[in-house]
Formats: sequence, structure tokens, C-alpha cells
Amino acid sequence: AQRVTQPEKLLSVFKGAPVELKCNYSYSGSPELFWYVQYSRQRLQLLLRHISRESIKGFTADLNKGETSFHLKKPFAQEEDSAMYYCALVWAGSYQLTFGKGTKLSVIP
Amino acid sequence: GAGVSQTPSNKVTEKGKYVELRCDPISGHTALYWYRQSLGQGPEFLIYFQGTGAADDSGLPNDRFFAVRPEGSVSTLKIQRTERGDSAVYLCASSPGPNYGYTFGSGTRLTVV
Repeated sequence: AQRVTQPEKLLSVFKGAPVELKCNYSYSGSPELFWYVQYSRQRLQLLLRHISRESIKGFTADLNKGETSFHLKKPFAQEEDSAMYYCALVWAGSYQLTFGKGTKLSVIP
Repeated sequence: GAGVSQTPSNKVTEKGKYVELRCDPISGHTALYWYRQSLGQGPEFLIYFQGTGAADDSGLPNDRFFAVRPEGSVSTLKIQRTERGDSAVYLCASSPGPNYGYTFGSGTRLTVV
């Protein structure tokens, strides 16, 4: 069965430091991968998806099929980046999102 | 409306009672999804509607859970004989079709006491 693993429940970094939120998945096919973000008191929203290869709010994520990873990175963390981040996948031909348990990012001023 | 609307935002109910949770999707979105998020977990899939029909209800945990979308717009998630383990945030999402990105609602926080 497909599974998404986010090994860190909480990640604290100083403002201006680089950020990497880890995500690994187990799935034998070709999934589509996403990062969702939930800011305090706001709804869950899409941050980026791997097929669009965009950089949103300075965040990027590269799909590494060899390592089955989709880590989220930002070179310089900002205080407004503090939020819950969820990695999710959809397997080919489906629509069901499978989410990881999430990582809480705390950016220290 | 401009976004996905869920009501109520909070619901406290006694064990054994029946509850209904409502989702009003973005106008024109044919796909509608229900997810459940327990404390410390990511959202978990419950059911997917394409139009009026439930295309996939494989995530519903048992037969106490049921959902409808009679006119292909508003959906209601119904839970009978609630149990304390049903306490969670119930999320609704909609999309223009099954292979498009979701827009989530703010969720209904259900607490069974």
C-alpha cells in the first residue's frame, strides 16, 4: 500500500537559515506528489505539486524516484513560514490523496 | 461561493447521538471529497463524489457513516450512533474534476463526549 512518511513532527530553525522538510513515500508506480500547508487558524491549502515544477513562496521540492523522496526546501526561512506542512501523494489514475502526518515548522526570530 | 464552506465549524455531541455535517463546494466543482483528520495525524480519505454519485466510499470506517450529495452540489456527511473515537476534524474539499487540485474547507471539529 502507498504510504507517506514525514519523519519530523517538529522542526525549529532560525530566521534566515535554510529549511528542509523531509518526505519519503512508498509506492511502486509513478505517483504525483504535493506539499500542503496549514497556517495558524487557516484552512489546508496547496503549496506546490511536483509536476508544475514551480517555486512558491521561495519553496521548491524535487522528486527523487531513486530515493523515493520529495523533500521541501527553502534557502532562507521567514517567520511567516511557521506552519504545519503535509506531504501527500496521488497514485497514477486515482484522485485519493494519501497524506503524511505532517511536520510543524517553527521559525525563530 | 468563493470557497468551500463547511458548517458547523464546531459540533459537540453526546455519545450515541446522530450528527450531520454539511459541505458547500465551490460552484461548478463536480468532484467533492470528505477527509477526516484525527489529532496528530494527516487527513485520511473517507469518500469521493463525482456529481451526485459516490464514486468511491472505500474510506468510510463502518456503516455508521454515510454521505449524500443529492443535487450534485451540497453534500452531507451523516454519522449515526456516534462514538468517542469519531472525534476529529472532518474536512471537505472540491475540485473541477478528479485530476485537478483540491480546495479544502475549514473543516468541522466534531467532539463526542
